[in-house]
Amino acid sequence: EIVMTQSPATLSVSPGERATLSCRASQSVTSNLAWYQQKPGQAPRLLIYGASTRATGIPARFSGSGSGTEFTLTISSLQSEDFAVYYCQQYNNWPPGTFGQGTKVEIK
Amino acid sequence: QVQLQQSGPGLVKPSQTLSLTCAISGDYVSSNSAAWNWIRQSPSRGLEWLGRTYYRSKWYNDYAVSVKSRITINADTSKNQFSLQLNSVTPEDTAVYYCARKTTVTTFDIWGQGTMVTVSS
Repeated sequence: EIVMTQSPATLSVSPGERATLSCRASQSVTSNLAWYQQKPGQAPRLLIYGASTRATGIPARFSGSGSGTEFTLTISSLQSEDFAVYYCQQYNNWPPGTFGQGTKVEIK
Repeated sequence: QVQLQQSGPGLVKPSQTLSLTCAISGDYVSSNSAAWNWIRQSPSRGLEWLGRTYYRSKWYNDYAVSVKSRITINADTSKNQFSLQLNSVTPEDTAVYYCARKTTVTTFDIWGQGTMVTVSS
């Protein structure tokens, strides 16, 4: 099973600043990598799939990059509604399609 | 737009069966371009995919190794829904359970609202 490792566990950022989140796969997942946002009491929301394609309705301030084993989610200018937990998920080795443990983006 | 609506009990006794249903609107459980999944989330296990059902001229199911001996996912085309049954539950099965759609183009793009299931006597 492919293990997904996210860093950092917590990221403290001021509104308007850039946030950069990392995700590493234990083996290559090519570009079959997704990012999700989850707020308390809500289901995860798909942000990015195919490593860099924004899902429907996702603002342009969210961007994804990377391939193989190293991936990045960048939020260019944090808005108040962006403070949440972010998960990466590989679906190259599918099923089961494993998730990372999450990065919490909190207000600095 | 596509929506998934979950239903089922929030409390299950140890050794009994956990049963949840996910009703689909805006898509079809028999779609040839989607798979219908159950995923759970707990502090100890994080987000964990449990299994899927999908139709490609016939019905297929896949299950996670961790629950394979205890899980059944069924589709009901007459009600356009799918269901999860997890047998012989223990407190370790306490989690928020989600249903989710995965298409051939993307990954889990539509999620149900989640059901907190507690296993306790």
